[in-house]
Amino acid sequence: DTGVSQNPRHKITKRGQNVTFRCDPISEHNRLYWYRQTLGQGPEFLTYFQNEAQLEKSRLLSDRFSAERPKGSFSTLEIQRTEQGDSAMYLCASSLPGLYEQYFGPGTRLTVT
Amino acid sequence: AQRVTQPEKLLSVFKGAPVELKCNYSYSGSPELFWYVQYSRQRLQLLLRHISRESIKGFTADLNKGETSFHLKKPFAQEEDSAMYYCALGSDRGSTLGRLYFGRGTQLTVWP
Repeated sequence: DTGVSQNPRHKITKRGQNVTFRCDPISEHNRLYWYRQTLGQGPEFLTYFQNEAQLEKSRLLSDRFSAERPKGSFSTLEIQRTEQGDSAMYLCASSLPGLYEQYFGPGTRLTVT
Repeated sequence: AQRVTQPEKLLSVFKGAPVELKCNYSYSGSPELFWYVQYSRQRLQLLLRHISRESIKGFTADLNKGETSFHLKKPFAQEEDSAMYYCALGSDRGSTLGRLYFGRGTQLTVWP
């Protein structure tokens, strides 16, 4: 499968727990984006990487959120001390540099109880 | 500030009828506009982008800078067009280059 993959697809966790999501982009894409989507809304930008460098972080990304992309390949998004408001679909996308088409993964649905 | 507005949350038409999904944007630079589509149980995918001026699956969209609009149109809707459609604006600036700003989406239902 040459598309963007995300794991896990679903995650249920209790409030206060830490969770980590993984995204594997299309291999030749050096840009990787994270978005969050809540019910009834479009995807909202969280952060993005060019290779291993994190170039921008949204104000939506509180101190409890951290993202990494070691070696410029896969990326992880960690949420510490989860809150119910973190419940959402977390989407990953990758692209070539510039305003090229972004290819999206299937998303990870997080439910915080 | 960058903003994308899709005024219709839901849109229903009958098969064979024309369809227009509205999108307005706010952006002070040179906008790069896209339409993304999400079919049931599938991932978000690009439908078309304004600079390519293509017609994909019979859909077209024209960028109107005067009205800051990028409406998506199809003359004869098909049942398989039923999906969620998102208008998106791409940033052309510095560190935000490539970042997408999405509208809230319009759920299109085409009835037989």
